[in-house]
Amino acid sequence: QQQVKQSPQSLIVQKGGISIINCAYENTAFDYFPWYQQFPGKGPALLIAIRPDVSEKKEGRFTISFNKSAKQFSLHIMDSQPGDSATYFCAASRGETSGSRLTFGEGTQLTVNP
Amino acid sequence: DAGVIQSPRHEVTEMGQEVTLRCKPISGHNSLFWYRQTMMRGLELLIYFNNNVPIDDSGMPEDRFSAKMPNASFSTLKIQPSEPRDSAVYFCASRLQGYTGELFFGEGSRLTVL
Repeated sequence: QQQVKQSPQSLIVQKGGISIINCAYENTAFDYFPWYQQFPGKGPALLIAIRPDVSEKKEGRFTISFNKSAKQFSLHIMDSQPGDSATYFCAASRGETSGSRLTFGEGTQLTVNP
Repeated sequence: DAGVIQSPRHEVTEMGQEVTLRCKPISGHNSLFWYRQTMMRGLELLIYFNNNVPIDDSGMPEDRFSAKMPNASFSTLKIQPSEPRDSAVYFCASRLQGYTGELFFGEGSRLTVL
């Protein structure tokens, strides 16, 4: 129940295209869903996050779509750029009382071709 | 702020040797996490501390692994004796307790055990 399943494992997109990464979770107690971006040789860094009281959050070219009933959420990268090439991780956590440990998905390696 | 600082960045050692990884969290952050990243298993939480106290060490693979946090500005992860299967990138991350979700990661320590 603590798992977060992420797909696809890898994704190749042309410059200007839309990149879509999907995640699914089982634990309905999760109440915080961040996406992290990791460049080679660096640690993951928070990109964007959403709570289940909204269905969508947009920050620039990055949008999270959240479907509470399906227990799924996705990251959309509009107008993908070569600089977006990185590994993306979805994650979930369930509040302070349980320690707020983040459970990460398996990661998606995104390559944006020029 | 300088961010989360980890050392060493790279460590190559022989099987059976003791390895000590070090972490300095962001000043003022009172939760600290140790993660391990491998291609096969992704990002795994090993242990985390709140206010220097270990809260959950269920992710520590076995007794060869130990972690300490003697004060708010320093933590160590020790592997003794090390084995080739311990080869991975080890990340330290910190956050403010009570601020769910956003972790600030260091750049990682890449460990190779020959």
